[in-house]
Amino acid sequence: EIVLTQSPGTLSLSPGERATLSCRARQTVNSNYLAWYQQKPGQAPRLLIYGASSRATGIPDRFSGSGSGTDFALTISRLEPEDFAVYYCQQYGNSRTFGQGTKVEIK
Amino acid sequence: QVQLQESGPGLVKPSGTLSLTCAISGGSIRSSNWWSWVRQPPGKRLEWIGEIHHSGNTNHNPSLKSRVTISVDKSKNQFSLKLSSVTAADTAVYYCAREMDGFNWGCFDYWGQGTLVTVSS
Repeated sequence: EIVLTQSPGTLSLSPGERATLSCRARQTVNSNYLAWYQQKPGQAPRLLIYGASSRATGIPDRFSGSGSGTDFALTISRLEPEDFAVYYCQQYGNSRTFGQGTKVEIK
Repeated sequence: QVQLQESGPGLVKPSGTLSLTCAISGGSIRSSNWWSWVRQPPGKRLEWIGEIHHSGNTNHNPSLKSRVTISVDKSKNQFSLKLSSVTAADTAVYYCAREMDGFNWGCFDYWGQGTLVTVSS
């Protein structure tokens, strides 16, 4: 099983600031099969990024994904009020596993 | 727009079998997509349970494989999950989800709203 570790656990930022979230895998993620999801309380996850860097349909361009191999990142260029949520990474190159999440909270 | 809706008992007794169904609307289970179950215990990370294709082919999380049965009902455009020998550790919000087609098979682009299943006597 590929274990994914996200950091930091919590990110306290103000609207308009830049957020950078990290996702590290214990072994190489095949073909960069890495996705990012946003989850708000009481809601299902929403797909943001797939293939490490491709935005899903309808996702604003302030969200971007990068990385390869074992180190990946999600960047939100300028935080909007609706972006404060929990973010999960997921690999799907070898079965499917998720990270433990990063909470982006209002400072 | 594809919509998924989970249904089933919200309370299951220990050692019993958890049974859930996912109804698909706005899309067809006969598409080339795979269809999955994912769960989230309270305060914990998401965990993939398993997936099915309309052909009947399935794949499962190795940690749960021996307890999981996933089936498809093409006539009702739905798929189902059975998880046997449940314990309190199986208490979670259970989601059904559609996987992206093609190259990014394994990535979930549509999700149901989720249903909380509690294992308790």
